Amino acid sequence: GQQVMQIPQYQHVQEGEDFTTYCNSSTTLSNIQWYKQRPGGHPVFLIQLVKSGEVKKQKRLTFQFGEAKKNSSLHITATQTTDVGTYFCAARNSGYSTLTFGKGTMLLVSP
Amino acid sequence: NAGVTQTPKFRVLKTGQSMTLLCAQDMNHEYMYWYRQDPGMGLRLIHYSVGEGTTAKGEVPDGYNVSRLKKQNFLLGLESAAPSQTSVYFCASRETGSSYNSPLHFGNGTRLTVT
Repeated sequence: GQQVMQIPQYQHVQEGEDFTTYCNSSTTLSNIQWYKQRPGGHPVFLIQLVKSGEVKKQKRLTFQFGEAKKNSSLHITATQTTDVGTYFCAARNSGYSTLTFGKGTMLLVSP
Repeated sequence: NAGVTQTPKFRVLKTGQSMTLLCAQDMNHEYMYWYRQDPGMGLRLIHYSVGEGTTAKGEVPDGYNVSRLKKQNFLLGLESAAPSQTSVYFCASRETGSSYNSPLHFGNGTRLTVT
């Protein structure tokens, strides 16, 4: 299946600081999805990127898909304590039926 | 509309015991998945199904079996539980149509401990 590497594994920020997580692949991705999992919760879909160079925003969250479609990033501006959780990227496998998840970036925000 | 429902929420098993985890979805989704989540390992696919009566192996299928007798249900079985199967198990489903546009809808998870 597809291999996606996510960095960093963990980040601890002060409330109000920015945060970025990166998702990288050695092969070209057809699409990438991002999910958020709150502590003790289940993953929840945030967004999907499909086009080369695509940028999408959701309030303070900005998602980018690289020009070569081999990497993606999620940037949070001015973090809040409600942003705490683990953020996963997921890429579609060549067989179309399944997704491979990155190992996730755990974000901790201190007030 | 309950979405994806998993039962039970918690379970403790002794090594060698068997159990079945049930996943039910009311969204008429064709595709269903079982993932396990372990610290630092992300979500790993165990088995999946692309429709009623079909199943396929994922990344880590050993020690598990599945069945999809009805479209809305996807069962995950452990025939002889091992401590290595201690994990949080998530079921997910998604609609078909556009092959890659549909997101996964996850259940709340089952926390399984094997002693």
